[in-house]
Amino acid sequence: DVKVTQSSRYLVKRTGEKVFLECVQDMDHENMFWYRQDPGLGLRLIYFSYDVKMKEKGDIPEGYSVSREKKERFSLILESASTNQTSMYLCASRNPQETQYFGPGTRLLVL
Amino acid sequence: QQQVKQSPQSLIVQKGGIPIINCAYENTAFDYFPWYQQFPGKGPALLIAIRPDVSEKKEGRFTISFNKSAKQFSLHIMDSQPGDSATYFCAASPLNAGGTSYGKLTFGQGTILTVHP
Repeated sequence: DVKVTQSSRYLVKRTGEKVFLECVQDMDHENMFWYRQDPGLGLRLIYFSYDVKMKEKGDIPEGYSVSREKKERFSLILESASTNQTSMYLCASRNPQETQYFGPGTRLLVL
Repeated sequence: QQQVKQSPQSLIVQKGGIPIINCAYENTAFDYFPWYQQFPGKGPALLIAIRPDVSEKKEGRFTISFNKSAKQFSLHIMDSQPGDSATYFCAASPLNAGGTSYGKLTFGQGTILTVHP
């Protein structure tokens, strides 16, 4: 059974803090993704990684960075959290041309 | 722009009704159209998907209808049940993972479906 896990379900941070969101997949998937989900806007791609140490910007990369040092782990970094980054963050993974699997999400509140 | 427009934003039906969710796309390079279902507190999960070489695909009570010329596709849920209450997302991508797209999914805005008992 494919499993994508995210380090936290809920997170509360203060404006200006550096925030790390971790994602781990156990299916040896090549591709990993970070999305944010906001009501009425659907899922918007922040960054994706098509292989270890490879990354590419998605549709809304501003204010975010990512790291993929190992195949199973993909980290999303908010360099200086702002209130407009309050959102649900979803990690996903897949092999190319195969089904994409999502983690349970991290609900981030920035005060 | 690679947009996928989904409607309606929310939908309420009675048990046994047939909710229909519609999506429209612009990019003619899209050739893979999945629907994802998301329950509260969970990540989205693949429900059903279609390629444009067929006009309809059915899996249990869920059916995708696809109109290539109109660049539209829709999800029908037959005999809907309260357990179908969830948020539904359509998506589209080029299936071929080559080039700069890497087969990335573009998602619609989501539809919150409520099925009353």
